[in-house]
Amino acid sequence: GQNIDQPTEMTATEGAIVQINCTYQTSGFNGLFWYQQHAGEAPTFLSYNVLDGLEEKGRFSSFLSRSKGYSYLLLKELQMKDSASYLCAVRPNQAGTALIFGKGTTLSVSS
Amino acid sequence: GAGVSQSPSNKVTEKGKDVELRCDPISGHTALYWYRQSLGQGLEFLIYFQGNSAPDKSGLPSDRFSAERTGGSVSTLTIQRTQQEDSAVYLCASSPDRGRNGYTFGSGTRLTVV
Repeated sequence: GQNIDQPTEMTATEGAIVQINCTYQTSGFNGLFWYQQHAGEAPTFLSYNVLDGLEEKGRFSSFLSRSKGYSYLLLKELQMKDSASYLCAVRPNQAGTALIFGKGTTLSVSS
Repeated sequence: GAGVSQSPSNKVTEKGKDVELRCDPISGHTALYWYRQSLGQGLEFLIYFQGNSAPDKSGLPSDRFSAERTGGSVSTLTIQRTQQEDSAVYLCASSPDRGRNGYTFGSGTRLTVV
């Protein structure tokens, strides 16, 4: 079967750094995605990893280890507006097949 | 259009009624996906359209669910004889290139079956 695990909730304070982990067991692998979803809104694309290593994009970075079935999303210099749900998703087959999503990690940032 | 448009944004229906949910993808996007999101659950894949290929219907939960995409653009998700467990947010997404750069999601339709 297909399984994607991530913590349900995390809390952090403004200015801090937080790491959201994601582990996956899927029938195949052709890319891992991170999305941000604010309450009541559509998910928005944050990052994409298909090769091992770190992808940096401003305050957000995403890491992938295919051999370990593991990824993390790193958020630096946290702001209140970063309070949201963060969704990890894997494309298990060739490009064009549907993504499988984890249940999401709700991040609460406090002052 | 500028983004993925879904209508209605909210729908309340009585158990047993049929509902139609509409998705208007970004112009030129060849791939279109339907997902649903229930409280506390992840996004559940329903169906995927890619160009003129046969759709991937592997995620549809029962034969009460169906979807079509006319002219490679607008898609309609139909739920027949709605049940309370169908209550969820139904999200549509589109992508220009088989999803290599991720999807653009619409704001969803919140369906409540009473």
